[in-house]
Formats: sequence, C-alpha cells, structure tokens
Amino acid sequence: KAGVTQTPRYLIKTRGQQVTLSCSPISGHRSVSWYQQTPGQGLQFLFEYFSETQRNKGNFPGRFSGRQFSNSRSEMNVSTLELGDSALYLCASSLDRPTGELFFGEGSRLTVL
Amino acid sequence: ELKVEQNPLFLSMQEGKNYTIYCNYSTTSDRLYWYRQDPGKSLESLFVLLSNGAVKQEGRLMASLDTKARLSTLHITAAVHDLSATYFCAVAGWETSGSRLTFGEGTQLTVNP
Repeated sequence: KAGVTQTPRYLIKTRGQQVTLSCSPISGHRSVSWYQQTPGQGLQFLFEYFSETQRNKGNFPGRFSGRQFSNSRSEMNVSTLELGDSALYLCASSLDRPTGELFFGEGSRLTVL
Repeated sequence: ELKVEQNPLFLSMQEGKNYTIYCNYSTTSDRLYWYRQDPGKSLESLFVLLSNGAVKQEGRLMASLDTKARLSTLHITAAVHDLSATYFCAVAGWETSGSRLTFGEGTQLTVNP
C-alpha cells in the first residue's frame, strides 16, 4: 500500500516568488492536512481539507493557501515568499474516523533565499 | 488555546536504562498521538491513545494516557541505540473535528552505548 507522497522533495526559491507543493494521500483517505516544521516554531498546523472543503485553518497569513481535488490530492501554495517561510512542509492523510491516525509524507523542504 | 508541553526536551541516556518522557496538555482532549522523527525524515506514527487509562506497548516503548491529569507518558525500557530520535506528542482538542493537531516541542533522545 503506497504511503503519502509529497512533491517536490526539495526546492529553492527566492524572496517574493511563489511555490506550490503537492500531496497525494493514501488511497481511500479523504482528509489531508498540512503542517509546517521549523527549528524555531516546531510543528505548526496550516490547514486541513476534507472532501474538497477546508475544514480547519491554522494561524498563518493569507499568503498560505491550499486546495483539495476530487481525487483527494491536495496542493498548498505560498505566495510572496519570505525568508521565514523556509521550512519542512509535511502533509498528512487520514481516514477521518474516531481513531484519527495521521500518516505523514516525507515532506517538502523549502529554502527561501 | 490548546498548549502541549513535553519534558524533558533533551534526554541523553545509556543503553539498557529506563526513562520516561512526559507530555502535558492544557485542555480536554479525546485523542493523543506519539510520533517519532529521525533527522531529516518525516514523522512515524507510534501510538494513538483515545481514552482515559489507555496503555499501548510496542517493543521497548509504552505509552499511557491520563485524561483527568491531562498527561501522557512515553516509557522507554532498556534503551538501545536504535531508539535515538526525536519524539513528539500531539493532541487534538475535543472541540476540534478532523485532524488539527497541536504538537509538543519534541524530546530529542540520544542513547549512548
């Protein structure tokens, strides 16, 4: 059974650019959530999508956005990149049952220069 | 606002010794998770604890949950070098549907021969 797949794994951007990250959840999982991991702030929740609808949103500026497609694949976008956006972006998928176990992908490591 | 605190943040221990990592959280929760992260890698799910008094064990790791005390523990028995990693606990607040987790700061465990 394939796990959560994130692309690209590594990318380098410059300030002011935008970036789109992709996440393919485990087959059958309809909930996809995104987290940002930095040394200073740790793991922080960005947003969660379920059945193409944003169900939860973290405390990030509007430059961070996402969407989910009918096949449950999700993308997140960060516009007008800042140096502080450099981080590991992790996607997690789950079956959305009471057990609520989340399975994480390998992450996309973004470096903003 | 849900807050999750882990201690210790750094733990250096000898092989063969026992130790416990503590995870305190600030508001009622119905789900608590433990994850392991190796350097440069993603999060590996270890345990999902769903009810007061829940105890789960896998190999040398055992996790427990006391919802009344808002405390979870991860006990390491007879540590081995392969357990060296960063361990995170994460909590879903009771009022939150879906997969919005608040993570602790992580405990960086080093097991020395």
